[in-house]
Amino acid sequence: DQQVKQNSPSLSVQEGRISILNCDYTNSMFDYFLWYKKYPAEGPTFLISISSIKDKNEDGRFTVFLNKSAKHLSLHIVPSQPGDSAVYFCAAKTNTGNQFYFGTGTSLTVIP
Amino acid sequence: DTAVSQTPKYLVTQMGNDKSIKCEQNLGHDTMYWYKQDSKKFLKIMFSYNNKELIINETVPNRFSPKSPDKAHLNLHINSLELGDSAVYFCASSQVLDGIQYFGAGTRLSVL
Repeated sequence: DQQVKQNSPSLSVQEGRISILNCDYTNSMFDYFLWYKKYPAEGPTFLISISSIKDKNEDGRFTVFLNKSAKHLSLHIVPSQPGDSAVYFCAAKTNTGNQFYFGTGTSLTVIP
Repeated sequence: DTAVSQTPKYLVTQMGNDKSIKCEQNLGHDTMYWYKQDSKKFLKIMFSYNNKELIINETVPNRFSPKSPDKAHLNLHINSLELGDSAVYFCASSQVLDGIQYFGAGTRLSVL
């Protein structure tokens, strides 16, 4: 049972434009969300997080938005750079749980 | 100096063999994990150890046995390998049980 879904396996964006990566979840008890970035032949690296008490968190070019009623979060990258080309995973956990549930990832290609 | 390192990076073996994957972290973290990423790109937790104690043991065949000799190491031993065990296995660690995780580069296991 996949509780975290990333329905777009891939996304291509022109350099300098905005990249929007989406993530949906089914468990209304999830209250903490993370985005990870993964380059080929490397492990995922933490990018940005958001708690359910907020609807937005910003870190430089990266902003995560959380819409709890829609059970949806998104990662915005502005402006997109070729070095952002990677697979992005979202992950979520409940406040009582001790494990993260991951989506299947979205492969972002930023075209120079 | 790699924070979370796992060896080997690639492992090709025959069905029925027994193999081990080693993981070491030099971050001083208390918790370590093993994840499996299958062909559908699901990143699913298998085990987690906190201070050398098994915390999470998802529905994994008992052919898989984790061993944590100390807080900095979590090895994965697999007996009687099957074709379906082919996947990428990631080790990770975190400061606390439900904290942000730092991943190794992965071990690509191919069972022939």
